[in-house]
Amino acid sequence: DVKVTQSSRYLVKRTGEKVFLECVQDMDHENMFWYRQDPGLGLRLIYFSYDVKMKEKGDIPEGYSVSREKKERFSLILESASTNQTSMYLCASRVTSGTGELFFGEGSRLTVL
Amino acid sequence: LAKTTQPISMDSYEGQEVNITCSHNNIATNDYITWYQQFPSQGPRFIIQGYKTKVTNEVASLFIPADRKSSTLSLPRVSLSDTAVYYCLVDDKAAGNKLTFGGGTRVLVKP
Repeated sequence: DVKVTQSSRYLVKRTGEKVFLECVQDMDHENMFWYRQDPGLGLRLIYFSYDVKMKEKGDIPEGYSVSREKKERFSLILESASTNQTSMYLCASRVTSGTGELFFGEGSRLTVL
Repeated sequence: LAKTTQPISMDSYEGQEVNITCSHNNIATNDYITWYQQFPSQGPRFIIQGYKTKVTNEVASLFIPADRKSSTLSLPRVSLSDTAVYYCLVDDKAAGNKLTFGGGTRVLVKP
């Protein structure tokens, strides 16, 4: 069974803290994605990566960075968390671009106080 | 870039057929259309994918007209457990691997 695992389901952090959200997939997928989801706003793409050490900005990259040192792992980093980054964060992966379906993790709900 | 537009919400009753139409006027020749389902507090999951005409699997059908500027997801005989948000996604090859979701359609199935 394919699996995308996000390290934490729930996190509570304080304003200004550095936050790491980890995502690991076991399907040898090239493409990985980070989305955030807020009520009424659907899924918004933060960053994506199409290969190791490669990254591209999505639609809302401000305040975030990413790291992809290994193929199976894609990390989302909030350098200095702010309250407006309180959200559900979803990681996804798929094989290289084309018709492959996206596989999502269960999500990480981050609260910034 | 291919942008998708869906109704925000729709209600139905158990046993009825639900049809959700997604508009994607700027779809390019090689782009596929994929639908995802999302339950609360879970990540979206794949339902069906198509390129043209009709595709059917065990849970849904996808109808795509010849001009491919829209697609309709059809859920036959829905049950309460089909209450979810449904997203249409166009695999926009011109945008590389950037997969941008639309707002989704919230389907509420009533008893």
